[in-house]
Amino acid sequence: DIQMTQSPSSLSASVGDRVTITCRASQSIDTYLNWYQQKPGKAPKLLMYIASSLQSGVPSRFSGSGSGTDFTLTISSLQPEDSATYYCQQSYSTPWTFGQGTKVEIK
Amino acid sequence: EVQLVESGGGFVQPGGSLRLSCAASGFTFSTYSINWVRQAPGKGLEWLSYISDSSSPIYYADSVKGRFTISRDNAKNSLYLQMNSLRAEDTAVYYCARDIPKRLYTVPLSGTFDIWGQGTMVTVSS
Repeated sequence: DIQMTQSPSSLSASVGDRVTITCRASQSIDTYLNWYQQKPGKAPKLLMYIASSLQSGVPSRFSGSGSGTDFTLTISSLQPEDSATYYCQQSYSTPWTFGQGTKVEIK
Repeated sequence: EVQLVESGGGFVQPGGSLRLSCAASGFTFSTYSINWVRQAPGKGLEWLSYISDSSSPIYYADSVKGRFTISRDNAKNSLYLQMNSLRAEDTAVYYCARDIPKRLYTVPLSGTFDIWGQGTMVTVSS
């Protein structure tokens, strides 16, 4: 199985800050990497797919990049509603696997 | 409104069985592949199973292979997960999640989930 490792596990940042979350795959996954946002008690929400494609309806302050084994999710200007846990997920091969999550808090 | 609604969760003893359902509305269910994903309390996400729009192919995670069975009824716009031989470690919120539309990807399996249900809680305990 492909292991996905996110860093950091948590972070605290101020409104307006630029925030970057990193995800590393245990083997090359080309650009088959998705990002989800999950708020407490809610289902995950797809933010990005194929590493850098913005899901319809997602604010443009979210962006993704990377290929091979290293990927990043960037929030260009953190907003209060971005407080959530973010998960990366590889869609390269089954079993599709998720990172352990990065909790983003607002200072 | 595009929607998935899970039901059937509850409390069950180890070794017991439970059948989850996922009702779809607002889209042409028969043209989408669907998945089950779970999340143990306070933990991350775990993909469990995939079923194509035509019910073949089907895939499972090793953690549930041989114990869980995914199925669908396109006439009823419904997805199911039959869970047998349940264990304490199966305790989780279970989500059904739709694959993204085929027009958005070029490979046979997208592994990308754009619509999720609200989840149904399964607790396995004696």
